[in-house]
Formats: sequence, structure tokens, C-alpha cells
Amino acid sequence: GDSVTQMEGPVTLSEEAFLTINCTYTATGYPSLFWYVQYPGEGLQLLLKATKADDKGSNKGFEATYRKETTSFHLEKGSVQVSDSAVYFCALNQYNDYKLSFGAGTTVTVRA
Amino acid sequence: GAVVSQHPSRVICKSGTSVKIECRSLDFQATTMFWYRQFPKQSLMLMATSNEGSKATYEQGVEKDKFLINHASLTLSTLTVTSAHPEDSSFYICSARRQRDQETQYFGPGTRLLVL
Repeated sequence: GDSVTQMEGPVTLSEEAFLTINCTYTATGYPSLFWYVQYPGEGLQLLLKATKADDKGSNKGFEATYRKETTSFHLEKGSVQVSDSAVYFCALNQYNDYKLSFGAGTTVTVRA
Repeated sequence: GAVVSQHPSRVICKSGTSVKIECRSLDFQATTMFWYRQFPKQSLMLMATSNEGSKATYEQGVEKDKFLINHASLTLSTLTVTSAHPEDSSFYICSARRQRDQETQYFGPGTRLLVL
């Protein structure tokens, strides 16, 4: 079945540091890929998505590129802020049923 | 747009009682809603998929008689945890999908259930 593997946390960074969260997937066909963010005490919010190979999703300074050759969708941000402290989930779904398969989540803490 | 609400945000109940959690899409019609369960520091586990006007489809290992799901309208789905026990304590999250963008799920803020 489909699965998503993302780097284990927690990740602790200083403000303005570069953030990378690795995500790789196993799936048949051509899934769509997502990054969701969960701020403390809140539900998940869609951060960005990519629906086909080589697509780049971007939002709020975050970027991720759909790499089919390496089955990866790594999340990056060039300069993090304290407000980026959250849990980040990589996910995928298939065109035929749209069920989301989530990675385990990576907790990111940004210190001032 | 695409706001999903849940009510209540947290609930404490005694063992053996039933608890109903509501999930509403506030500014769009949700043809499909999903219910997830999230354990502390873990990922979301899909419990069931509900389509308006039809029976929910439960994931393997989820007891349909224990977790009753009703999707009576295009903006409301309810999850009822029947005869709750302490092991049912968890964070329950719903999401909704609208017809014109079937790939994207919009998540509610979650409901924290504590069964004593």
C-alpha cells in the first residue's frame, strides 16, 4: 500500500535558519503530494501541494518539489521564524480515492 | 474560504456514556467528510469516510458500531463514540472535501476527548 516516510523530529532551529524536512513516499501510479502544518492547539492546515512530477508547491516562504525519480517531496524554507514552530505532515493521495496517507509528522521548534 | 469547524473542542465524559462530535463545513458544501484519530505525538489515522446521504465506509480495524457516523447534509457530519471507555480518549479530527476540488481536504480544529 501507499506510505509516506518523513524525517523524525524534533527539529530545533534558531530564527532565520534554513529548514529542510525530508519526505519520501511509496505509491503506485502518480499520487498527489501535500504538506500540512499543525500549529499548537489547532487542526491541520494545508501548506502546499503538488499534483504531478516536477511541480513545485509554495506558500508562506515554504517550497517543495515533486521528484518522481527519487520519490521525494522535501519541504524547505530559507529563513524560519518563531511563528513557524509547528508539526509538519507530509501526505499523499491517489487520484482514484483521494484518501490521504500521512507521514508521522515532524515537530519543528524555532527559537528566537 | 473552506472553513471547517468542530464542536465541541474538548469533552470529558464518564466511562460508558456516549459522546457526539459535530463537524461542519461553514462556507462550502462538503460531498465527502473524513474522520481521523490522532494519538499523542503520532500521525493521523483515518477512521472512516462519509458521503452525504449514504453509509460511511470504515477503515479496517475500526468498529462501526462503536463509532457511529452520520452525514445528514452537505455541511454536517457527526461522529458518535458509543459507550466510551478510557482507551477511546484521543484527538478526533474531521476533514471535508468539496466537489470542485476533490484532491484537497480541509481540516477541522479537532476535538479532544477524555474518558474517565
